[in-house]
Order: sequence, then structure tokens, then C-alpha cells
Amino acid sequence: DAGVIQSPRHEVTEMGQEVTLRCKPISGHNSLFWYRQTMMRGLELLIYFNNNVPIDDSGMPEDRFSAKMPNASFSTLKIQPSEPRDSAVYFCASSGTGMNTEAFFGQGTRLTVV
Amino acid sequence: SQKIEQNSEALNIQEGKTATLTCNYTNYSPAYLQWYRQDPGRGPVFLLLIRENEKEKRKERLKVTFDTTLKQSLFHITASQPADSATYLCALDRLNTDKLIFGTGTRLQVFP
Repeated sequence: DAGVIQSPRHEVTEMGQEVTLRCKPISGHNSLFWYRQTMMRGLELLIYFNNNVPIDDSGMPEDRFSAKMPNASFSTLKIQPSEPRDSAVYFCASSGTGMNTEAFFGQGTRLTVV
Repeated sequence: SQKIEQNSEALNIQEGKTATLTCNYTNYSPAYLQWYRQDPGRGPVFLLLIRENEKEKRKERLKVTFDTTLKQSLFHITASQPADSATYLCALDRLNTDKLIFGTGTRLQVFP
């Protein structure tokens, strides 16, 4: 397996534009996580899915953020409209069945909103 | 409120010494605790998992302890090498969920 695949690796956009980040989890994993990492706040959990269903989105900062998982092999995180304070590295991670399992991270998407 | 605290200051040690990193948490009752390594420009990579009923776990030069009374985990790297230089993050689950919450990480620098 190629691991967790995220796209794009880098995204530069203007304030007010819509941004869509994509993630392909490891095949067979049933939990998917979206994290945001900044120097100030570290790695923050935004939302996680289990079996394609959003379980906890309490970390989503505001209504401008939305996430979907239409099937077991694909998830998106959308920001509309984007703001400069959304600039960060966004990671997607997946893990296997049950608890006590490790999370596998993608390479991340570095988002810059100007 | 729930907190996971790691030393935000970088840890600088000499090659060959043992590095010890600390993870403290409050208002959590985790079933397990994990440690990850993160290199610049990369995603975190899993290193070790220790369960609440385990006191210590080892993997090669790595050792993790977990004290649920003190609400603390210690992460040790023995015979440290410059290649061990990275940021190390601890992560805890939320009870009975897969929700994995990370500390802010500690940057380790090993000098030759």
C-alpha cells in the first residue's frame, strides 16, 4: 500500500477563495482523521470519521470548514471562504479496526492563504 | 479543561547520552498513550503504544513508561544519535473512542 495520500502538497490561494483538500486513506482502515498543524497550536484534531460517518467534528473551527467522506477510499476537507488565519499544514491520517491502533499520516498539505 | 503538555523548549543532548522526554496530561483517562516522531516537512510517524495497564514498553533503543497516577509518560532514547533529531509527540485517546489527541511536541537535537 502506498500509505495515506494527500493532495495537493502545497496550495496557495487568495483570501475568500474556496479550498478543497483531498485524502485517500490506507485500504482497509476504517477511521480517518483530519488534523491542522501550526507553530502556535500544534497538531489539532479537526474531525474524525469511522466507517465513513463523521463521529466528532468538535474541532472544526467554524462553519467555513466542512468535511466529507463519500466512500471508504476518499475524504475531502473544504474551506469556504478561506482566510489568512487558515494558513497551516493540514494532515490526514487513517487507522485500522478497533482502538489501540496506530495512526498513519499523509505527507500533509501546506496551505497558504494570502 | 483537558490538556496534554510536553516541554515546548528544545532538548539538546550529546550523542551517546540518553534523551528523556516528558508528556503530562490532565483531565484525561486514556486507555493508551502513543509516541510519534515528526521530521520537518513530514507527517508524524508512529513509534510506540503503551496501554494503561502497562508500566513500561521497550523497542530497540526506545523505552516508554506510563504512570496513570501521576498522569505522565516518559519517553527515553538510549545511546542517542544525530539521526534521532526530530520532534517527538505524545498522543492520547479519548475513553472508548478512536479520537486521538496530540501534545504540542518536543524538539530533540542530538549533537555529535
